[in-house]
Amino acid sequence: GNSVTQMEGPVTLSEEAFLTINCTYTATGYPSLFWYVQYPGEGLQLLLKATKADDKGSNKGFEATYRKETTSFHLEKGSVQVSDSAVYFCALSWVTGGGNKLTFGTGTQLKVEL
Amino acid sequence: GAVVSQHPSRVICKSGTSVKIECRSLDFQATTMFWYRQFPKQSLMLMATSNEGSKATYEQGVEKDKFLINHASLTLSTLTVTSAHPEDSSFYICSAREGQRNTDTQYFGPGTRLTVL
Repeated sequence: GNSVTQMEGPVTLSEEAFLTINCTYTATGYPSLFWYVQYPGEGLQLLLKATKADDKGSNKGFEATYRKETTSFHLEKGSVQVSDSAVYFCALSWVTGGGNKLTFGTGTQLKVEL
Repeated sequence: GAVVSQHPSRVICKSGTSVKIECRSLDFQATTMFWYRQFPKQSLMLMATSNEGSKATYEQGVEKDKFLINHASLTLSTLTVTSAHPEDSSFYICSAREGQRNTDTQYFGPGTRLTVL
């Protein structure tokens, strides 16, 4: 079946540090891949997505590239800020008879300190 | 745009009672809504998919008589946990999808923390 594995947190970084959160997936077919972010007390927000191999999704300085050969979609940011502190979820979308559904990873908490 | 609200944000109830959670799309029409359950430090687990005006489709292992879902309008879906027990305590999250069935993007509500005593 479809599944998503992402690195456990919490990840603690100093402001302006480089961020990588690893995500790998198992899927049949060609899923779309997503990163969602959940700030404290809020719902999940779509951060970025990629729909096919070698696509790069980007938003707010975050990037992730759909790597079919390594079944990965690692999230990166060159310089994190305190305001980036949140929980990040990697997810894949797969098509069923009822439409597209999402499968999530366990989430990775990021803490950015001054 | 694309805001989804949930009510209540937190509920505590006694074992054996029923609890209703509402999910509303505030600025768009949601043809499909999803209900997820999240355990501490675990993934969001899809419970069911509801399409406006039709019966919900439940994922394997989810009891449809326990978790009643109603999607009576294009902006409202409700999840009722019937005869709740302590093992039903969890974080319940809804999401809504706009437009055509095969659209990828889901918009999520802030979640409801249910505690059953």
